[in-house]
Amino acid sequence: EDKVVQSPLSLVVHEGDTVTLNCSYEVTNFRSLLWYKQEKKAPTFLFMLTSSGIEKKSGRLSSILDKKELFSILNITATQTGDSAIYLCAVPGRAAGNKLTFGGGTRVLVKP
Amino acid sequence: GAVVSQHPSRVICKSGTSVKIECRSLDFQATTMFWYRQFPKQSLMLMATSNEGSKATYEQGVEKDKFLINHASLTLSTLTVTSAHPEDSSFYICSARSGTGDPYEQYFGPGTRLTVT
Repeated sequence: EDKVVQSPLSLVVHEGDTVTLNCSYEVTNFRSLLWYKQEKKAPTFLFMLTSSGIEKKSGRLSSILDKKELFSILNITATQTGDSAIYLCAVPGRAAGNKLTFGGGTRVLVKP
Repeated sequence: GAVVSQHPSRVICKSGTSVKIECRSLDFQATTMFWYRQFPKQSLMLMATSNEGSKATYEQGVEKDKFLINHASLTLSTLTVTSAHPEDSSFYICSARSGTGDPYEQYFGPGTRLTVT
């Protein structure tokens, strides 16, 4: 059974701080890892990672994958209150439909 | 971009009644739709996968007779919570995948918050 574990469960930072979120996985036939941001409604897509060591960047967010150690990190620099959300990572399985297995999420609260 | 809608966004019903939630792909054909449930402060848990025109595949522990899923067209899937109980109160989210896009790319609906009193 595919497994995705995120850490920490939650963290509180102040505006301007940098946060690093972790996602480790155990997946049969790994193909990709996805990061999502969830505020009050449904998750919004952030990144899809397929190759080790290649950083993906979008503004103040970046992410990298280590396929040897089976983990990914998501970094947020110069945090803003609008970054407060639950961050989810997920991996698609090899079952029909490529269903996603989600980690438990990391709840980030950015205080002014 | 691909848009998925859900209706209703919020519903309150009495214990023992049934509730139907609709999930629509607005600008693409969704060959596969997924239904998730999310309890407060928890992650998304996949309930079932449905392919257009065929029976849904339910995850272990999800009662298929309680959570009826119909995916009758390429743009619409419905989830019916039958004989709802307070413990069914949750945030239900659907996602849809097209047959032509990246196989891992799912577009999420905005979710439906169900409260059973």
